[in-house]
Amino acid sequence: EAGVAQSPRYKIIEKRQSVAFWCNPISGHATLYWYQQILGQGPKLLIQFQNNGVVDDSQLPKDRFSAERLKGVDSTLKIQPAKLEDSAVYLCASSLVPGVTEAFFGQGTRLTVV
Amino acid sequence: DAKTTQPNSMESNEEEPVHLPCNHSTISGTDYIHWYRQLPSQGPEYVIHGLTSNVNNRMASLAIAEDRKSSTLILHRATLRDAAVYYCILSRGGSNYKLTFGKGTLLTVNP
Repeated sequence: EAGVAQSPRYKIIEKRQSVAFWCNPISGHATLYWYQQILGQGPKLLIQFQNNGVVDDSQLPKDRFSAERLKGVDSTLKIQPAKLEDSAVYLCASSLVPGVTEAFFGQGTRLTVV
Repeated sequence: DAKTTQPNSMESNEEEPVHLPCNHSTISGTDYIHWYRQLPSQGPEYVIHGLTSNVNNRMASLAIAEDRKSSTLILHRATLRDAAVYYCILSRGGSNYKLTFGKGTLLTVNP
């Protein structure tokens, strides 16, 4: 089966600019996760969707980050305005039945803010 | 979510078994034990998960202590491709199931 698709793979922007990442989960997966992974650390959950509803966004910096999942399929994560500390890899994952089946991760988008 | 403790790093030789430990003394009865690994420049990859009984799949085995306060991921014959960061994660099933990653164990495999 096709995996989780993410784009772009790499992005370099200046601070205070905006950026958007796109994720296409595995077909039929109701749960979609966005993670931020700073170099040398484990992934940190930013937001979790169940279909097109938000299950958890407690660690999403809502003053600058936003995410949506229209029609319960594709999702976009936006940062506006970006800060230097937002430099990280942004990972998208999906699962069929949370807690029962495994989560599948995309390759991630490496963001560099200069 | 309950906390897990893993060694920061471990080393192994190629073609030898590897036992990666994880302590989770505050585990609850409904917590599943999940293992994921992350190869360099890749997203995390599912390895195995279990609840109470030991589990085997094509990648690894998961040995769970009788009191469930610890578990061990077993790679039966390490290869160079197994060099990665291994994460032990506890989570409860359901729509609020969250994958919360810690720092994991960096496994180095020597040729």
